[in-house]
Amino acid sequence: EDQVTQSPEALRLQEGESSSLNCSYTVSGLRGLFWYRQDPGKGPEFLFTLYSAGEEKEKERLKATLTKKESFLHITAPKPEDSATYLCAVAGGGADGLTFGKGTHLIIQP
Amino acid sequence: DAGVIQSPRHEVTEMGQEVTLRCKPISGHNSLFWYRQTMMRGLELLIYFNNNVPIDDSGMPEDRFSAKMPNASFSTLKIQPSEPRDSAVYFCASSFRTGVYEQYFGPGTRLTVT
Repeated sequence: EDQVTQSPEALRLQEGESSSLNCSYTVSGLRGLFWYRQDPGKGPEFLFTLYSAGEEKEKERLKATLTKKESFLHITAPKPEDSATYLCAVAGGGADGLTFGKGTHLIIQP
Repeated sequence: DAGVIQSPRHEVTEMGQEVTLRCKPISGHNSLFWYRQTMMRGLELLIYFNNNVPIDDSGMPEDRFSAKMPNASFSTLKIQPSEPRDSAVYFCASSFRTGVYEQYFGPGTRLTVT
């Protein structure tokens, strides 16, 4: 059974204070790892897909990296508008559906 | 494009009643997914369709849950009879092709069963 563990559960940062969110996974045959952002009362919003170890992707202040056992979402000089819950998900085996972690609730204080 | 459309956005019903949730995927997308989100269990896959055909329904909790996709632009998730433990936010997502690609989520339906 695929498993995804995210840490920390919650993180409070000052504006401009860079940090990283962790996503550890156990999956039989990783086919893709996904990062989503979810704001309160809304559906998850797609950020990145990573397909193989060593791959990196960037978007504005966010950078996602992937190893064989975990992924990191690096947030550089965050702003209050980056406050949200960040979800990590994997697709493994022969199925297209995603297995999600519980998320990291990120708060950026001005 | 309008994005994934779900209705209703909120549903409050009494235990034992039938509930039907609706989803319109993004036009041209070939895969559709139903997820459920609760505080305790997070986001869980219930069922997904490729080209309107159900592929994996192993996440459907029990026989009270059923899903259909009669055409490429419409899907329903039905709960009959509903129970208080079914209270959750139900999301529909679609992907532009079959396989492992990014899924685009709708705004969700918040279901409360009293």
